[in-house]
Amino acid sequence: NAGVTQTPKFQVLKTGQSMTLQCAQDMNHEYMSWYRQDPGMGLRLIHYSVGAGITDQGEVPNGYNVSRSTTEDFPLRLLSAAPSQTSVYFCASSYSGTGSSGNTIYFGEGSWLTVV
Amino acid sequence: AQSVTQLDSHVSVSEGTPVLLRCNYSSSYSPSLFWYVQHPNKGLQLLLKYTSAATLVKGINGFEAEFKKSETSFHLTKPSAHMSDAAEYFCVVSDLNNDMRFGAGTRLTVKP
Repeated sequence: NAGVTQTPKFQVLKTGQSMTLQCAQDMNHEYMSWYRQDPGMGLRLIHYSVGAGITDQGEVPNGYNVSRSTTEDFPLRLLSAAPSQTSVYFCASSYSGTGSSGNTIYFGEGSWLTVV
Repeated sequence: AQSVTQLDSHVSVSEGTPVLLRCNYSSSYSPSLFWYVQHPNKGLQLLLKYTSAATLVKGINGFEAEFKKSETSFHLTKPSAHMSDAAEYFCVVSDLNNDMRFGAGTRLTVKP
């Protein structure tokens, strides 16, 4: 049981390049999400998915695309990287349900992205 | 929409002394509340969570938190700090659809 696996762990991009951050979970969780972490701002939700074929925007979706073709995988795409997207990215997953049920969200170990 | 305010960006304590990390929340619904810890260059680990059961919640590594609805607070405490507790701590509120909102974080420093 690997939990939530993110790749790559570190990446340097040039402005305008595209890339995909991969995320996979083996816990059969319906809910998956992507966050970015910036100093002094906690984690901010980029996109999330409540099940295969369903995605929605979070707080800061601009510049990012996602898809959810399987329950296990939730890749995050940067179509044209900008220096403002330099950040640490976390993928997360949990069982679906309302937040009041207190479903624990499990996080990957993070992907450090630098855009120069 | 729900929100979280962590009242201290940095807390410094001596080893063996109590820890208090403060968190206030805002939510239109009955929220779930969480504390996560992040060690340097690592992911986030769940310390404890409140889900409308007992208001005093015990977590891992000796941490606990008390949900106070009248004060809209969910402060994290530990009786005696250990060097290994040095990390960043995040208070999180979640209500509908697992839409979680994170506080900005509190960096805990533990002095020998």
